[in-house]
Amino acid sequence: NAGVTQTPKFQVLKTGQSMTLQCAQDMNHEYMSWYRQDPGMGLRLIHYSVGAGITDQGEVPNGYNVSRSTTEDFPLRLLSAAPSQTSVYFCASSYHRTGGDYGYTFGSGTRLTVV
Amino acid sequence: DAKTTQPTSMDCAEGRAANLPCNHSTISGNEYVYWYRQIHSQGPQYIIHGLKNNETNEMASLIITEDRKSSTLILPHATLRDTAVYYCIVFRNNNDMRFGAGTRLTVKP
Repeated sequence: NAGVTQTPKFQVLKTGQSMTLQCAQDMNHEYMSWYRQDPGMGLRLIHYSVGAGITDQGEVPNGYNVSRSTTEDFPLRLLSAAPSQTSVYFCASSYHRTGGDYGYTFGSGTRLTVV
Repeated sequence: DAKTTQPTSMDCAEGRAANLPCNHSTISGNEYVYWYRQIHSQGPQYIIHGLKNNETNEMASLIITEDRKSSTLILPHATLRDTAVYYCIVFRNNNDMRFGAGTRLTVKP
């Protein structure tokens, strides 16, 4: 049981480049979300999904796109990377949006640097 | 969602109980209290949650005051591996789970 798998673990991008951060879970969770964490700060919600084919914006969605074609996968796309998107990105999943009895399961993160 | 207030940092001696407070004076009746922790640079880890009653699991206990305006997370026998940032989050269904700055707990030998 792998839980939530994020790839890559580290990435350096040049300003203006695009890329996709991958997130996959094998727990049959309906709810998945993406957070970013800047140094010394808490996590901020970017986008979330309550099931395949359904996505919605969180607190800081600008510059990011998501799609949910399967229950297992929830990729995050950076359309045109900017230095302000330098951050650590975490993907999370759960049976329910509230987290339910087991809370959210988080991946180990992707550390992105935009130069 | 109700706003939460937590101390910025706390210390605890190894083997002693760590009591982490959280103030959520504007909590409404259908909002849950969730606790997560983040060890170093890892992804956050769910600890426990509750609505009204006190809760206990293998990791911790959650004490919620009768008026629900504050709560305390208790780690009964803190170890060095419990050093982490602890987040108290109050939210209800159909809203977003938002993390604040949390409390940085340092367990000292």
